[in-house]
Amino acid sequence: LAKTTQPISMDSYEGQEVNITCSHNNIATNDYITWYQQFPSQGPRFIIQGYKTKVTNEVASLFIPADRKSSTLSLPRVSLSDTAVYYCLVYEWPTGANNLFFGTGTRLTVIP
Amino acid sequence: DTAVSQTPKYLVTQMGNDKSIKCEQNLGHDTMYWYKQDSKKFLKIMFSYNNKELIINETVPNRFSPKSPDKAHLNLHINSLELGDSAVYFCASSQDSDREDGYTFGSGTRLTVV
Repeated sequence: LAKTTQPISMDSYEGQEVNITCSHNNIATNDYITWYQQFPSQGPRFIIQGYKTKVTNEVASLFIPADRKSSTLSLPRVSLSDTAVYYCLVYEWPTGANNLFFGTGTRLTVIP
Repeated sequence: DTAVSQTPKYLVTQMGNDKSIKCEQNLGHDTMYWYKQDSKKFLKIMFSYNNKELIINETVPNRFSPKSPDKAHLNLHINSLELGDSAVYFCASSQDSDREDGYTFGSGTRLTVV
């Protein structure tokens, strides 16, 4: 199970782009990198998943360098409603659910 | 429509009681899970289940048992509740063939044992 390290907290002003970096030095060949968002009193919500290079969807972008030992979640033009905890996970699909370890995540606070 | 719904949202009960938490998903997913979130916010797998296989985390006490009446439901039954069972429990589901959507979680059930 690949361990991930990410900042405990970040602050950003509304309208700015936010980049959250995650380190996963011992990522395995079959592992995917996945980011989840969690609001208080709610379950984690899937944001984006990638294996290498860049992945973009309607919510975020995920940048993964060639060595895959880190990844960066990019949230464009954040709003107050983006205040949440963001988790970086690394696991094999689909068997990875048996070792889904969310850790402490990064608490993002968006400031007006 | 809520994709993964679990009830109740809050559950307060006394030690020694038996309780159940229900989970339903309307996504047509083929695998469902139960996770326990501890006080440090770690989510740890308890069970995963599809119509073929039940996988149990070996660290889960046998007081916990999953019950699946059909593919869309995976309920969690807990016998002889203990103080240490207090936590938030999350139900989740996934479609093995659809990696791009990851796991879909319910909103959690906060269990407090007094």
